[in-house]
Amino acid sequence: GENVEQHPSTLSVQEGDSAVIKCTYSDSASNYFPWYKQELGKGPQLIIDIRSNVGEKKDQRIAVTLNKTAKHFSLHITETQPEDSAVYFCAAMGDNNDMRFGAGTRLTVKP
Amino acid sequence: NAGVMQNPRHLVRRRGQEARLRCSPMKGHSHVYWYRQLPEEGLKFMVYLQKENIIDESGMPKERFSAEFPKEGPSILRIQQVVRGDSAAYFCASSPGGYMNTEAFFGQGTRLTVV
Repeated sequence: GENVEQHPSTLSVQEGDSAVIKCTYSDSASNYFPWYKQELGKGPQLIIDIRSNVGEKKDQRIAVTLNKTAKHFSLHITETQPEDSAVYFCAAMGDNNDMRFGAGTRLTVKP
Repeated sequence: NAGVMQNPRHLVRRRGQEARLRCSPMKGHSHVYWYRQLPEEGLKFMVYLQKENIIDESGMPKERFSAEFPKEGPSILRIQQVVRGDSAAYFCASSPGGYMNTEAFFGQGTRLTVV
């Protein structure tokens, strides 16, 4: 089955700096890669996703990149704000719609 | 269109009792996933279901745990004879399924406490 690894497990940045979270996956058949943000006491919220036919996708301050050959994908947050502080999860899904998550990254943005 | 609804939000059970967690997927979604999350930890896959079918239950303990997603009604995660180690947040997510149409959305979770 699919195995997703995520790094780093914790990340602390100064407000205004950029944050990068990286994930690797094992199943070359995976073709859909969503990112979720989880705030304390809440369910994970889908913030951006990318499909295997696209190398990069951007939505305001967040962007995702995908390298299919190397089987890794990354989340980039620019101009970070304190409200970006949360736990971020990457996931990978294949044609069978089976979804597996990385272990999560706790991002802290210091004002 | 309401989001994924989980109930109850909080559930307290004594050791040995049964816990039933319900998940109503978003309208039009026929795929449901259940995950377990311990404090300060990630989302551990438990089971993936489509209507009336269990597709992948490789993450679910073989004993005491079962899941169903009937033709009508919510998906149910059932834990029999709960033990303290079952205390966790249980999240479900739903998606419409289908090739290249796979956005999955989560509910707010059920926090199970076994006393």
